[in-house]
Amino acid sequence: TQLLEQSPQFLSIQEGENLTVYCNSSSVFSSLQWYRQEPGEGPVLLVTVVTGGEVKKLKRLTFQFGDARKDSSLHITAAQPGDTGLYLCAGPIMDSNYQLIWGAGTKLIIKP
Amino acid sequence: DSGVTQTPKHLITATGQRVTLRCSPRSGDLSVYWYQQSLDQGLQFLIQYYNGEERAKGNILERFSAQQFPDLHSELNLSSLELGDSALYFCASSVGSSGGVNTQYFGPGTRLTVL
Repeated sequence: TQLLEQSPQFLSIQEGENLTVYCNSSSVFSSLQWYRQEPGEGPVLLVTVVTGGEVKKLKRLTFQFGDARKDSSLHITAAQPGDTGLYLCAGPIMDSNYQLIWGAGTKLIIKP
Repeated sequence: DSGVTQTPKHLITATGQRVTLRCSPRSGDLSVYWYQQSLDQGLQFLIQYYNGEERAKGNILERFSAQQFPDLHSELNLSSLELGDSALYFCASSVGSSGGVNTQYFGPGTRLTVL
């Protein structure tokens, strides 16, 4: 069974600090996606990583896909209160490009 | 704006009642997914439709059912409601074609409160 485990479950830090959150699996994924969900809203796609070892940057957010395509990380530099939200990783179910497996998410709070 | 619409935004009802949640996917998207999200929980996949046909089922209760109509909008029916059904219900859509990366676009959700 494919599973995505995210850690930490909860993180509360001060504005300006750096942080990294993780998305891990024992299964290989053809791609992984990161979504951010703000309170009361639906998740919004941030990035898709496809190639093992790939690094993508989105302003202060850096996403990395593991070499073996079993894990991914999200690093935020100089976190801002606007980064507050639930960060979810998701990957396609084996033999299906239609359905995604979702991690439980990391709830991030950035305090001013 | 994701292009996915959901109605109603909020719904308050009593135990034992039945409600219908509606979703219109993005223009051109053939796949519709329904998710349940309880307070401070991750997304629980309920069911997926593709071009009118059921494609995959997740942890959907027998009291819940869904359908996708010829115009591709979808409805999620929840019956014999219990207090524990109170949650955010999200609809997402995707192109749903084989190959490539499947990106799901989420609607704003329906917040269901069962009293």
